[in-house]
Amino acid sequence: GAGVSQSPSNKVTEKGKDVELRCDPISGHTALYWYRQSLGQGLEFLIYFQGNSAPDKSGLPSDRFSAERTGGSVSTLTIQRTQQEDSAVYLCASSFLMTADDGTYEQYFGPGTRLTVT
Amino acid sequence: RKEVEQDPGPFNVPEGATVAFNCTYSNSASQSFFWYRQDCRKEPKLLMSVYSSGNEDGRFTAQLNRASQYISLLIRDSKLSDSATYLCVVNRRPYNFNKFYFGSGTKLNVKP
Repeated sequence: GAGVSQSPSNKVTEKGKDVELRCDPISGHTALYWYRQSLGQGLEFLIYFQGNSAPDKSGLPSDRFSAERTGGSVSTLTIQRTQQEDSAVYLCASSFLMTADDGTYEQYFGPGTRLTVT
Repeated sequence: RKEVEQDPGPFNVPEGATVAFNCTYSNSASQSFFWYRQDCRKEPKLLMSVYSSGNEDGRFTAQLNRASQYISLLIRDSKLSDSATYLCVVNRRPYNFNKFYFGSGTKLNVKP
């Protein structure tokens, strides 16, 4: 079946411009996550959407970063007034959300958007 | 203290070798555990879940030690194609959120 898709795959932008990154999760997955990964570094959690609940925004590095998830499906991550330190791969992942307190379920990642701020 | 800690490596091993990675996690309320594999410039992909009783998938064996809060991954008969970064991932659900915590990864290089 279709996996998580992200667009664009690559984005080069000038410092100070705004960018929008898109994520289409796997159909039926109610949990959606954004991470970023700088070259040679680990994953940095940004934001998490869970069903209709308020998102967990605790990982957003500054108020220049925001994200929406419309209709419980597609999500958009927006970075305003981009800075060079925003250059990274932005990864989206989705998973099922178990309502029981047990169970093991994993995240599935999209291919990422490579953002370069010049 | 980081939620999940891993030795970054690299582990350089010859083909056919057996190699093991450990990972420690800090929160005893952690509920689910995984190993992901990430190839260079690619997204992470699930390698295997880690079950309390330990589990095996072909050449890969995962173990969980809740008392000592660590997870291990053993790779037998290493192949060149096993070269990648292995990410330890821990899941817990504070306040009904479903959060995943990633280690920084252990890099494995399998040499001919």
